Amino acid sequence: AQSVTQLDSQVPVFEEAPVELRCNYSSSVSVYLFWYVQYPNQGLQLLLKYLSGSTLVKGINGFEAEFNKSQTSFHLRKPSVHISDTAEYFCAVNRMDSNYQLIWGAGTKLIIKP
Amino acid sequence: NAGVTQTPKFQVLKTGQSMTLQCAQDMNHEYMSWYRQDPGMGLRLIHYSVGAGITDQGEVPNGYNVSRSTTEDFPLRLLSAAPSQTSVYFCASSPPTGTITEAFFGQGTRLTVV
Repeated sequence: AQSVTQLDSQVPVFEEAPVELRCNYSSSVSVYLFWYVQYPNQGLQLLLKYLSGSTLVKGINGFEAEFNKSQTSFHLRKPSVHISDTAEYFCAVNRMDSNYQLIWGAGTKLIIKP
Repeated sequence: NAGVTQTPKFQVLKTGQSMTLQCAQDMNHEYMSWYRQDPGMGLRLIHYSVGAGITDQGEVPNGYNVSRSTTEDFPLRLLSAAPSQTSVYFCASSPPTGTITEAFFGQGTRLTVV
């Protein structure tokens, strides 16, 4: 079975500071990896995804994530956050072998302090 | 391009009432799913469908029914609402690639059962 752990439920950070949101997963087979963002009272929007190739993935709004197979991690980073990045961020995985179920982490709320 | 459309956006039900949450997508996606989102628990899969006429249970199916008579529509029925079903419900769809490489979400339905 697969599982996804987002290590921090909330991450407060000052505006223009860098941020890292952590995601670890466990799976017996290879997986695809995703980060989604949910702005207040909105649906979920894809930030970035790792399917294959380069382990450093760039997404929208200046975010990037690095897939580390040995550490089974897919941490999300941004070098300088803005107040508009205030949102909840979800990590998810999906098995590569024809499985339709996304497994989700519990989410990390990014709180930007002015 | 409308994407995934959910109706209604808000709903208040009394315990024991039934209702249907509507979901429609215009992207010709084969895979559709329903999630519920509760604080601190991420998204939990209720039911999913891999094509018209085919549905299956997810992680938390009890108290919910689905059907998929067309590719476009995937309604979720609450048979007899309970306060434990107070939640935000999201519908999602994915293109027919054999497994999920991206999920597109609706804006959500916020349901309160009193």
